[in-house]
Amino acid sequence: DIQMTQSPPSLSASVGDRVTITCRASQSIGSYLNWYQQKPGKAPELLIYAASSLQSGVPSRFSGSGSGTDFTLSISSLQPEDFATYYCQQSYSIPRTFGQGTKVEIK
Amino acid sequence: EVQLVESGGGLVQPGGSLRLSCAASGFSFSIYSMNWVRQAPGKGLEWASYISSSSSTIYHADSVKGRFTISRDNAKNSLYLQMNSLRAEDTAIYYCAKDGIMGMDVWGKGTTVTVSS
Repeated sequence: DIQMTQSPPSLSASVGDRVTITCRASQSIGSYLNWYQQKPGKAPELLIYAASSLQSGVPSRFSGSGSGTDFTLSISSLQPEDFATYYCQQSYSIPRTFGQGTKVEIK
Repeated sequence: EVQLVESGGGLVQPGGSLRLSCAASGFSFSIYSMNWVRQAPGKGLEWASYISSSSSTIYHADSVKGRFTISRDNAKNSLYLQMNSLRAEDTAIYYCAKDGIMGMDVWGKGTTVTVSS
């Protein structure tokens, strides 16, 4: 099984900050890497698919990059509605493993 | 509107059984693989089960293998999860999610399963 490791587990940031979250796969997954946002009490929502493609309706301040084993999710200017938990997930193979999550909190 | 709606959750005693359902609408359910993903209280997302569009390929996480069975009825646009021999550690919100190599782009709101005596 492919293991997904996210860092950091949590971070504190202010509105307007640039935020970067990293995700590492235990083996090469090409660009089969997706990012999700989950707010408290809500289902996860797909933000970015195929490592760098923005899902329809997602603001352009979100971006993704990487390939192989190392990936990043960036938020260029953090907005109040972006405070949430973010998960990476690989769709290269079954099982569809998720990272442990990164909670973005208000500083 | 593209939608997934889970049902069937509830309180069950350890060792008991429960059957979850997920009703799909607004997309061609029969051509997509589907997943069950669960989230224990205060924890992260855990993939539980996968079924291909024709039910020819099925996978379960090691944590549920031998106890849970995923199935689907394409004529009814429905996905199921039969959960037997339930344990306290199965307590979670269970989400159904439309699968794809470009991510799980449709999720239900989830149904809560609580295993407790």
